[in-house]
Amino acid sequence: GENVEQHPSTLSVQEGDSAVIKCTYSDSASNYFPWYKQELGKRPQLIIDIRSNVGEKKDQRIAVTLNKTAKHFSLHITETQPEDSAVYFCAARGAAGNKLTFGGGTRVLVKP
Amino acid sequence: NAGVTQTPKFQVLKTGQSMTLQCAQDMNHNSMYWYRQDPGMGLRLIYYSASEGTTDKGEVPNGYNVSRLNKREFSLRLESAAPSQTSVYFCASSEPGERLGEHFGDGTRLSIL
Repeated sequence: GENVEQHPSTLSVQEGDSAVIKCTYSDSASNYFPWYKQELGKRPQLIIDIRSNVGEKKDQRIAVTLNKTAKHFSLHITETQPEDSAVYFCAARGAAGNKLTFGGGTRVLVKP
Repeated sequence: NAGVTQTPKFQVLKTGQSMTLQCAQDMNHNSMYWYRQDPGMGLRLIYYSASEGTTDKGEVPNGYNVSRLNKREFSLRLESAAPSQTSVYFCASSEPGERLGEHFGDGTRLSIL
């Protein structure tokens, strides 16, 4: 089955700097890659996603890039703000079935 | 429009007790999922149901059973709870082709003593 690895596990940045989280996946047939933000005690919330026929997608201060050849995708947060502090998860949908495999998460701390 | 509703929100069990976690969605989605999230970790799929009448194992199905009661409801049962099943359980629903994982419930925090 699909395997998703996420790095780093923790990331501390100064307010206003950029944050980058990277994920790799194992199933070359995977075709959908969402990212989630989870605040303490809350449900995961989908913040951006990308499909395998697209290389990059942006939504205001967040962007996701996908390299299908290398089987990795990344989340970029620019001009970070304290409210960006949370745990971020990547995920991938493999070829078999309509289900997701999640990475282990990255705890992001934005220091004022 | 409530989305995905999970009950209960919190539960404490003793080892060996049984319990059913309930999940209902009002978006007419075909697919429903149960995940568990252990402290400091990502979500792992326990079971899913691609459509009414079908269920399939995910990554960590041992110790659990599920029932897709109808299109709206998907329940998760622990027959004999073990401390290793202490976790936060999330239910989710989706429709093939739409943005996956957009509809999670608020979670059930389960502690097994």
